[in-house]
Order: sequence, then structure tokens, then C-alpha cells
Amino acid sequence: EVQLLESGGGLVQPGGSLRVSCAVSGFTFTSYAMNWVRQAPGKGLEWVSAISGSGDSTYYTDSVKGRFTISRDNSKNTLYLQMNSLRAEDTAVYYCAKVKQMYDSSGSLDYWGQGTLVTVSS
Amino acid sequence: EIVLTQSPATLSLSPGERATLSCRASQSVSSYLAWYQQKPGQAPRLLIYDASNRATGIPARFSGSGSGTDFTLTISSLEPEDFAVYYCQQRSNWPQTFGQGTRLEIK
Repeated sequence: EVQLLESGGGLVQPGGSLRVSCAVSGFTFTSYAMNWVRQAPGKGLEWVSAISGSGDSTYYTDSVKGRFTISRDNSKNTLYLQMNSLRAEDTAVYYCAKVKQMYDSSGSLDYWGQGTLVTVSS
Repeated sequence: EIVLTQSPATLSLSPGERATLSCRASQSVSSYLAWYQQKPGQAPRLLIYDASNRATGIPARFSGSGSGTDFTLTISSLEPEDFAVYYCQQRSNWPQTFGQGTRLEIK
């Protein structure tokens, strides 16, 4: 059974940093790209970032470029999102999601975690 | 960035009726479009990938069509559990983008 479990969310002050994690099981982690998608309270889905299965290729939406870093530890079956210089508008539930298509960096997202809430406020 | 525009914003229908949801892209995404369903307090669920392929376990009443810039999600006969928010997503170009969503509510 495929499982994705996010952790690390919480309250952080503007300008601060936070790292969220996503522990996965039930599939060959190295064979699949992974994504982060966020959802601000009461709003729609926003794609944030993606990383290839090997970790060699990364992609970001413009609003987080230079501030967020996606990474993965394939030995630990874990995905990360390091978030620096956080702003109020980064407040959201952050979901990790698995790409459906093996070896494809860009894909539909067939499994999602339950999400972790990041609140940026003073 | 490719902008996806979904219409209508809200659709009010009754169980048993047919639902037609639209997603229009600002430029061609070929067939690289997916549809997701999201219920309150839950993560999104993949319904359709690559425009017309049902994901694993998705009932046959859900179907997708279109290519290029115009796409449609059709629910042939609404069940009570289908009332939710639906999003389209393109994976043709970076950054990937989602539409703003269509809320399907009970009339």
C-alpha cells in the first residue's frame, strides 16, 4: 500500500525558515518524481515544486524560486522542502504527491499525503 | 506560465443529473491534462490523467475529453459522493499549473 506522510509544519515568523518532510512507503521511491503542492486556507491548489527520481532535476514555481529548496534522500525514502525567507502568503497546507508515470519528472499526481499546515505569522 | 481557466466556478445540480466541467488552457498542453476531485478536509484524488484516462479505481461515470486548449470532465450521472471541488492540472510546461477549481454543489 502506497503511503505518504508529511511532517514538520507549524507556526513560523515572517522571514523565518522551516523544513517539511514526507516519508513514503509502498513503492520504489527512486523510480518516481515527487512534488509539493500547497493550498492556502479556503483557496485552490498551487503547484510548488518537483524533483526527479534521482534528485538531479528540480523545478519551482516562480514565487518560491530562490527561497525554497526541494530535495530527497532515497536511502531514507523521504522528500523534503526547505523553506526560507517565509512570507505570510506562504501560509498553506503543504501536500507531497507522487508522480504517476515512472521515470517522468512531469506527471499526474496519483498519491497524496494528508498535508501539513505551515502558518507564517508574527 | 500556462493559465488554466475552469468554468463554471460553481455548478448546482441534483443527483442523477449529468455534470459537464470545462478547463481551458492559455496555450496548447497537448493531452497533458489531469483532473482531480477534492472533498473538504481531504487531499485531492486523481480522477483522469492525460486528458481521457481514468485513474485506478475511478468509476466509469467519470470521463475526460479534449486536447490542445479545451478539455471537459463529464460525470454521467451524479452520485451523492460526487459533490466536491474539481481541479484541472497541466503537466505540459514548467511550471505545472492548476485551474482555480469548479465547485459542484447539490441543487
